[in-house]
Amino acid sequence: SQTIHQWPATLVQPVGSPLSLECTVEGTSNPNLYWYRQAAGRGLQLLFYSVGIGQISSEVPQNLSASRPQDRQFILSSKKLLLSDSGFYLCAWSGGSISQPQHFGDGTRLSIL
Amino acid sequence: ILNVEQSPQSLHVQEGDSTNFTCSFPSSNFYALHWYRWETAKSPEALFVMTLNGDEKKKGRISATLNTKEGYSYLYIKGSQPEDSATYLCALDTGTASKLTFGTGTRLQVTL
Repeated sequence: SQTIHQWPATLVQPVGSPLSLECTVEGTSNPNLYWYRQAAGRGLQLLFYSVGIGQISSEVPQNLSASRPQDRQFILSSKKLLLSDSGFYLCAWSGGSISQPQHFGDGTRLSIL
Repeated sequence: ILNVEQSPQSLHVQEGDSTNFTCSFPSSNFYALHWYRWETAKSPEALFVMTLNGDEKKKGRISATLNTKEGYSYLYIKGSQPEDSATYLCALDTGTASKLTFGTGTRLQVTL
């Protein structure tokens, strides 16, 4: 069966520090991968998605970047965090066909001080 | 920017009550419509993926209907139980890389 791992679960970082959140998927190959953020009082917003190794699409202009160095690894990064980067970050994968749902990791609560 | 709207924003019902929520979306962008349940301290869990106008899907006491021509979907819960307490999210798939645009959710609380 397929599983998705996301870490860390919580993170407290000072403004201006770097960020690296990692997500890995097991039990499937060539998944579509996604990073979402839920800011306080708002819905889930898609940040990045990837349909293959090295292929990253950004949905909104922001202070973050994403990379996919391996088929089942998706990394969310920042060189210098802003206060507005605080939120709950979720990684997800899907098989890519119309009838398949997305499967989510457990999320990372990021607080910027 | 796609506008996926859910109503009500929150709902408080008694155990045994039946309830329903609405998700509306731009029908011209429709490819598929997803429903997820998101319980506190857990990750969102897929309930349904609906693709055809007139679709009706059921999972236990939860069911959903879809009208792609007018751009809405209803989620029904029959005989609500406390374990149904969660945020229910709908999301629109417009057909590009299966990426989803989520509504802000309906937060359901079921009390004894």
